[in-house]
Amino acid sequence: GNSVTQMEGPVTLSEEAFLTINCTYTATGYPSLFWYVQYPGEGLQLLLKATKADDKGSNKGFEATYRKETTSFHLEKGSVQVSDSAVYFCALRPSGGYQKVTFGTGTKLQVIP
Amino acid sequence: EPEVTQTPSHQVTQMGQEVILRCVPISNHLYFYWYRQILGQKVEFLVSFYNNEISEKSEIFDDQFSVERPDGSNFTLKIRSTKLEDSAMYFCASSESAGVSYEQYFGPGTRLTVT
Repeated sequence: GNSVTQMEGPVTLSEEAFLTINCTYTATGYPSLFWYVQYPGEGLQLLLKATKADDKGSNKGFEATYRKETTSFHLEKGSVQVSDSAVYFCALRPSGGYQKVTFGTGTKLQVIP
Repeated sequence: EPEVTQTPSHQVTQMGQEVILRCVPISNHLYFYWYRQILGQKVEFLVSFYNNEISEKSEIFDDQFSVERPDGSNFTLKIRSTKLEDSAMYFCASSESAGVSYEQYFGPGTRLTVT
């Protein structure tokens, strides 16, 4: 079946540090890939997505590239801010019109001033 | 900005009791979903709902679960006889349509504690 594996947290970084959160997936065909973010007390928000191989999703300074050859979708940001502190979820949605989103376990990011 | 809302934010119930979790999706959305996250584990898909029918469900969504859209605004998840292992955060989501280009918007969740 489909699955998503992402790095364990929590991740603690100083402000302006470089962020990488690793994500790999297992799926047949060509799934769409997503990063969701959950700020404290709020719901899951779509951060970025990529729907085909070599696509780069980007939003709010975050980027992730769909790498079919390594089945990866790592999240990166060049300079994190305290306001980026949240839980980040990697996720996939299979091809073929299915609506189910499969999530990873989430990685908590804490950015300290 | 429109948002998905869920009530209550926290529900405590005794094992064997029925519980109803409520959601108000975004008003022009047609597809509705429930997910859950057991503490420390992955967010798991439960069910999707469209046109008053279940369109997709996971193996978790067994006979003790049911969903309903009782009126034009609410979407509910009922658990008939709760078990300890049903303790989790339950997220409702909605989308305008089913295609991958249509984002699923999530609510803040209801934390269910079964004692």
